Amino acid sequence: EDYLLESGGGLVQPGGSLRLSCAASGFTFISYAMNWVRQAPGRGLEWVAALTGSGRYTLYADSVKGRFTVSRDNSKNILFLQMNNLRAEDTAVYYCARDFLTRAPGGAFDPWGQGTLVTVSS
Amino acid sequence: QSALTQPASVSGSPGQSITISCAGTSSDVGGYDFVSWYQQHPGKAPKLIIYDVSNRPSGVSDRFSGSKSGNTASLTISGLQAEDEADYYCNSYTSRTLYVFGTGTKVTVL
Repeated sequence: EDYLLESGGGLVQPGGSLRLSCAASGFTFISYAMNWVRQAPGRGLEWVAALTGSGRYTLYADSVKGRFTVSRDNSKNILFLQMNNLRAEDTAVYYCARDFLTRAPGGAFDPWGQGTLVTVSS
Repeated sequence: QSALTQPASVSGSPGQSITISCAGTSSDVGGYDFVSWYQQHPGKAPKLIIYDVSNRPSGVSDRFSGSKSGNTASLTISGLQAEDEADYYCNSYTSRTLYVFGTGTKVTVL
């Protein structure tokens, strides 16, 4: 079964940094683009970032561009999200999600991890 | 990139059909057939129920169907059941930033 498990969330002060990880299993990791999607408390879903299977190409939402960096280790089947200069509005559950299909663009997200909560507060 | 527009809430009685709209622009919904829909129960991760406008992943009930006309996509749930009570989100590929989600719709089964 295709499976994703996030870790690394927690409480961080404004201006601080945090790195999230997403461990993948059950599928050929390098064959799929990966995404980060977040959901602020009581709010909707927001696509944050994407990374191609090779790790060569990345794209970001305007709200995180220049502050967040997505990367992957295909030898260990792990996706990362480095978050710098965090703001209160970055408080959210962060999900990693695989492109549903191997084509580009994948066009949909499945599976999803269970999410990890990031809280930015002093 | 503004979120796609969905109604905040839709309700229906068991057995009825309901439709959720997802309004975008020619740069997203209207320009590409990469529209997907997600079901999210409270405290759970979203679940893919429709991809490429109208295709269902394996294991998803055929009570869920998707369509698109112009810049607006739609999700129809037929034979509404209590378990369908959840939040639903549309998503589209966009030429602007790659992907954009809808504002979300809360479905209530009366």
